[in-house]
Amino acid sequence: DVKVTQSSRYLVKRTGEKVFLECVQDMDHENMFWYRQDPGLGLRLIYFSYDVKMKEKGDIPEGYSVSREKKERFSLILESASTNQTSMYLCATRWGGKTQYFGPGTRLLVL
Amino acid sequence: EDQVTQSPEALRLQEGESSSLNCSYTVSGLRGLFWYRQDPGKGPEFLFTLYSAGEEKEKERLKATLTKKESFLHITAPKPEDSATYLCAAYSGGGADGLTFGKGTHLIIQP
Repeated sequence: DVKVTQSSRYLVKRTGEKVFLECVQDMDHENMFWYRQDPGLGLRLIYFSYDVKMKEKGDIPEGYSVSREKKERFSLILESASTNQTSMYLCATRWGGKTQYFGPGTRLLVL
Repeated sequence: EDQVTQSPEALRLQEGESSSLNCSYTVSGLRGLFWYRQDPGKGPEFLFTLYSAGEEKEKERLKATLTKKESFLHITAPKPEDSATYLCAAYSGGGADGLTFGKGTHLIIQP
């Protein structure tokens, strides 16, 4: 069975804090993705990675960075959290052009 | 630019009242059309992948169909537990991502 896990379901942070969101998959997929989802805006791609240590900017990379040191693990980093980064963060994995599977999501609140 | 438009944005049905959700796409070279179900506060759950016009897939009360310009998700005799947001996404194969999401249809089934 497909398994994508995210480190936290809910997270509350203060403005200016450094925030780490971690995603782990057990399917040996090359491609991993970070999205944020906001009401009325849908899913927006932040960053993606198609191999270990490789990363590409998505549509809204500003204020974020990523790390992929191992194939199964893809981390999203908010260098200095701001209130406009309050959102639902979703990790996903995909092999080639096949189905993309999502994790359960992390709801982040920045105060 | 690839685009995916879902309609209606929201739909309220009585239990047992069948209907269809629409996903129109403008994608250069469609290589896959995906349907997901998303419950509040959770990550999208994969339902179907369709690859070519004329293809149909079924799962319980749901049936997805694909033409050259749109996809439909038909819901037959829905139950309250079918209430969710339904997302569709088109894959064009462009780069490691190439996945364009619609904003979803919020479906409510009243008992």
